[in-house]
Amino acid sequence: LAKTTQPISMDSYEGQEVNITCSHNNIATNDYITWYQQFPSQGPRFIIQGYKTKVTNEVASLFIPADRKSSTLSLPRVSLSDTAVYYCLVGDKDGGATNKLIFGTGTLLAVQP
Amino acid sequence: ETGVTQSPTHLIKTRGQQVTLRCSSQSGHNTVSWYQQALGQGPQFIFQYYREEENGRGNFPPRFSGLQFPNYSSELNVNALELDDSALYLCASTLSYSNYGYTFGSGTRLTVV
Repeated sequence: LAKTTQPISMDSYEGQEVNITCSHNNIATNDYITWYQQFPSQGPRFIIQGYKTKVTNEVASLFIPADRKSSTLSLPRVSLSDTAVYYCLVGDKDGGATNKLIFGTGTLLAVQP
Repeated sequence: ETGVTQSPTHLIKTRGQQVTLRCSSQSGHNTVSWYQQALGQGPQFIFQYYREEENGRGNFPPRFSGLQFPNYSSELNVNALELDDSALYLCASTLSYSNYGYTFGSGTRLTVV
């Protein structure tokens, strides 16, 4: 089974760039790597998704090395409202046509003024 | 775009009872997945449905079962409730099971006493 690990927590200050890494061994070869943000008592919210190299949208960038065994979410110039838990999500094919979706262990990002 | 709605928002059940949780997926999304999130933990994948057929399952016992309907709604049924089933249950939908850009609902908080 794919196993995903992330740092438990990170601290930052407003205006800084934050990079959160997820290690995911044995992920499905053809599946995307996706990152989510979650606030307390809410469902996760989609941030960004990629397959390889680098993807950028209006809120984040995602860096994926060639071996795809890890990925790094980059949040430019964080603000207080970015304080949340961040999860990576990968797929794990079990050899058949079925899919298992594996969330990372989650990283609590605390942004201070 | 109506998003994903779940009902009820909160529920209290007694050990041994059965419960049905409901989800209304975003219109056009033919893939729905369900997750269990214990307090302070990441979401754990229960199962996924694509066009009314289960096409992925996590490490949950058979007493966790589901249905997906043609109108983009779905159900999670849990039989013989145990105290450890107390958690936030999340429903998420996407256009296709190969796309992990899920839209999540806010969840149902289940408490088993």
